[in-house]
Amino acid sequence: DADVTQTPRNRITKTGKRIMLECSQTKGHDRMYWYRQDPGLGLRLIYYSFDVKDINKGEISDGYSVSRQAQAKFSLSLESAIPNQTALYFCATSDSQEGIAKNIQYFGAGTRLSVL
Amino acid sequence: TQLLEQSPQFLSIQEGENLTVYCNSSSVFSSLQWYRQEPGEGPVLLVTVVTGGEVKKLKRLTFQFGDARKDSSLHITAAQPGDTGLYLCAGGAPSASKLTFGTGTRLQVTL
Repeated sequence: DADVTQTPRNRITKTGKRIMLECSQTKGHDRMYWYRQDPGLGLRLIYYSFDVKDINKGEISDGYSVSRQAQAKFSLSLESAIPNQTALYFCATSDSQEGIAKNIQYFGAGTRLSVL
Repeated sequence: TQLLEQSPQFLSIQEGENLTVYCNSSSVFSSLQWYRQEPGEGPVLLVTVVTGGEVKKLKRLTFQFGDARKDSSLHITAAQPGDTGLYLCAGGAPSASKLTFGTGTRLQVTL
């Protein structure tokens, strides 16, 4: 089983619908992240959480919200989906004990979201 | 906002050729990581460099961190089809636990 699991893997939805992407991890890491990937833009940070009570906005948080239900679970919601939110979404984890110099991130396999 | 520009954006070469991918920024990073991503999967870490001028080798891959810690390069010797994928650099800012990812280089190696 994967250490970082994202569900669903693929989702097609319509403009205006609410949608939730889920991420769970078995690595025991305290830090979790949500990114979106678009061609030619690399990975852009949407939200990140350093522990259950700590949620922070990334560089492109508008139109998104998150919930850290437990140390192992971090979900991303699109309250009212729009077509330009069509992208590949990744969840990642890291361990604060590894130190800033390392900050290795471990990624899930991604969720491909299409908003029609 | 820190930006990391990678070049080239796309690279298509034949097996056995050498190539270099560049990752450049105007900002100083405390560390620089390289990830490789294959279709249908998330990025996977290849290497982390933390010291200006540092060079690390991973089989046929050579990674270098610039002296000023603003840029990095990835050199692949005798590329193989298994090297095909999207290569991403990522910079870690001092005292921050976030990474800034580069724009990506998509490499295709054909027989």
